[in-house]
Amino acid sequence: GAGVSQSPRYKVAKRGQDVALRCDPISGHVSLFWYQQALGQGPEFLTYFQNEAQLDKSGLPSDRFFAERPEGSVSTLKIQRTQQEDSAVYLCASSLGLLNSYEQYFGPGTRLTVT
Amino acid sequence: TQLLEQSPQFLSIQEGENLTVYCNSSSVFSSLQWYRQEPGEGPVLLVTVVTGGEVKKLKRLTFQFGDARKDSSLHITAAQPGDTGLYLCAGEDTNAGKSTFGDGTTLTVKP
Repeated sequence: GAGVSQSPRYKVAKRGQDVALRCDPISGHVSLFWYQQALGQGPEFLTYFQNEAQLDKSGLPSDRFFAERPEGSVSTLKIQRTQQEDSAVYLCASSLGLLNSYEQYFGPGTRLTVT
Repeated sequence: TQLLEQSPQFLSIQEGENLTVYCNSSSVFSSLQWYRQEPGEGPVLLVTVVTGGEVKKLKRLTFQFGDARKDSSLHITAAQPGDTGLYLCAGEDTNAGKSTFGDGTTLTVKP
C-alpha cells in the first residue's frame, strides 16, 4: 500500500535498553511528525521534520530521545536507556506540505512496552 | 500550553441513537481537526474546520466550530456499530506549527 508504515509494530524492551523505531512516510511527503500516545490519552507531539531538517523538537521528553531523517524520507526515533514511563504507542505522520497546511496521514504506530 | 478538553470521555449507546461530543479550550485555534482512531491503528482525519461558526457535514456526522474558534462539537445522527472508535479533536496553532490533541471520546455503539 501507499500509506505510512512503521516498524516494528510491537517492541518489548528491558529497562535500560536502547530502541530504534522506524517510519516510512508516503513518498514525496515533505513533512514528518512523531507523536507519543500513552494509554487512554491523545497523541502528544514529539518532533517535526521538513525534509531532512528537524524544525521543532520541543516535545521530546528528555535527551534520551533522538530523531533523525537524514535523507528527507525515512525517519528513525531512537530512545536510549528506556524507562518504564516510555511505554506508549509511537505514531508517525506525514503530510504533503509544510507544517499543518496539509492533511496528516498517520501510520499504525509502534507499541513500545518497557519491562 | 494549549489544552483541549473532550467530553464525555466514554459514551456507550444503542444503534440508531443520536449523540454529540464536545471539544473545548480556553485558547483560540487557527483550525481544528476531528479524527477517528480504531484500536491498533493511527488516527484518520474526518474533517478540518477553519472559520468561526463553520458547520460541516459528512454523511451522518455534523461538525461545528465555535464562533470564537475555541470549541467544537461533533454530532452523529442514527449511530451505527461502525461508528465505534476513539474520536479525537486537534487544534492547530499556526504560530507554533504543531497540533495539540485532546484525550478523545471513546464511543461504543451497540447493535
